[in-house]
Amino acid sequence: DGGITQSPKYLFRKEGQNVTLSCEQNLNHDAMYWYRQDPGQGLRLIYYSQIVNDFQKGDIAEGYSVSREKKESFPLTVTSAQKNPTAFYLCASTPAGNQPQHFGDGTRLSIL
Amino acid sequence: QKEVEQDPGPLSVPEGAIVSLNCTYSNSAFQYFMWYRQYSRKGPELLMYTYSSGNKEDGRFTAQVDKSSKYISLFIRDSQPSDSATYLCAAFGGSQGNLIFGKGTKLSVKP
Repeated sequence: DGGITQSPKYLFRKEGQNVTLSCEQNLNHDAMYWYRQDPGQGLRLIYYSQIVNDFQKGDIAEGYSVSREKKESFPLTVTSAQKNPTAFYLCASTPAGNQPQHFGDGTRLSIL
Repeated sequence: QKEVEQDPGPLSVPEGAIVSLNCTYSNSAFQYFMWYRQYSRKGPELLMYTYSSGNKEDGRFTAQVDKSSKYISLFIRDSQPSDSATYLCAAFGGSQGNLIFGKGTKLSVKP
């Protein structure tokens, strides 16, 4: 089945630690996105990538980094500079053009 | 003013009721409109996708867009307990911009 796989489902971060969230898609989609979801805040865009080896900052990129070395993979690193990382992180993808985004089932990140 | 406004609810209805979920938007460049359903601890699932003004029906779900008043709606007929979820509206202007989400409305359908 085609889809978007996010791992792990739950992740815990210690103070001063960087953690990486995985996002893999087998939909052959060109564009991929990372969102952060907090209660009552809706989805906020962190980073997005339209093609391999290229990505742009979204509305809340500070404290996060990404890479796009392969079309099917778009990992997100939450760095120690992100002081409030506790949230539900969602990865999405879409084919080129004006098509809707499809989402993975998210990673819940908490602070130890 | 946020670009897409959505009443967070919560909204509670009895099983079988007709549900109306609504959003307003401010950017007249928006042309594509979506409704997503999100169950607890899961990712959003695309329910409806419409372009420009008009209605679109899919089973018990009808999406309606009124560009003149910048108003988008989702109607659920014969609501079921399995419809209990958070519903997110979203809009974008095509290749010019990114998808903008409302904050979501939490719906509970009581048996």
